[in-house]
Amino acid sequence: DTAVSQTPKYLVTQMGNDKSIKCEQNLGHDTMYWYKQDSKKFLKIMFSYNNKELIINETVPNRFSPKSPDKAHLNLHINSLELGDSAVYFCASSPFLNTGELFFGEGSRLTVL
Amino acid sequence: KNEVEQSPQNLTAQEGEFITINCSYSVGISALHWLQQHPGGGIVSLFMLSSGKKKHGRLIATINIQEKHSSLHITASHPRDSAVYICAVEGAQKLVFGQGTRLTINP
Repeated sequence: DTAVSQTPKYLVTQMGNDKSIKCEQNLGHDTMYWYKQDSKKFLKIMFSYNNKELIINETVPNRFSPKSPDKAHLNLHINSLELGDSAVYFCASSPFLNTGELFFGEGSRLTVL
Repeated sequence: KNEVEQSPQNLTAQEGEFITINCSYSVGISALHWLQQHPGGGIVSLFMLSSGKKKHGRLIATINIQEKHSSLHITASHPRDSAVYICAVEGAQKLVFGQGTRLTINP
């Protein structure tokens, strides 16, 4: 069983569309994260959630809205997609906030045309 | 200047060589992570450390808190070690990442 799974793995869409990426972890961790990796492979935190509560929103445009229905799920919804949103988005989890090993999903490559 | 700097950015070596990747940071941290990103894109956590040294198989990670510096060593390198190695530091409730070191091990 995959520890952190995200879907879809690839997403190609037009500018202006709305899309979602889903993430689920079966590790029983309290904390989940969304990271963005740009074309230069540089990773940056977007959001962190601890027990369904938003902890960090790292100056991400409000077109990005994370939703955590329970502590095992953290979904990312993006409205009005722009060309600059093209990137690989990684979901991750850790046992507690900023404590312990990180477990990453396989990444979701978003291409906005 | 990035808060986390890695060197070198690219490293090519022959199978069997001893590899060292360096990470320097400029902020106070609670812990430092070394991550490996495979050519296929997946990211795996290698180490999390806040002091001293950790060893896992052929991989060794060290950290010097006073000097704000960490190193990742690979002994007896193998082509399957080819990947991007990323240093990340924990501080102020978030991880800050280095730009990564692309390692290529030739047979």
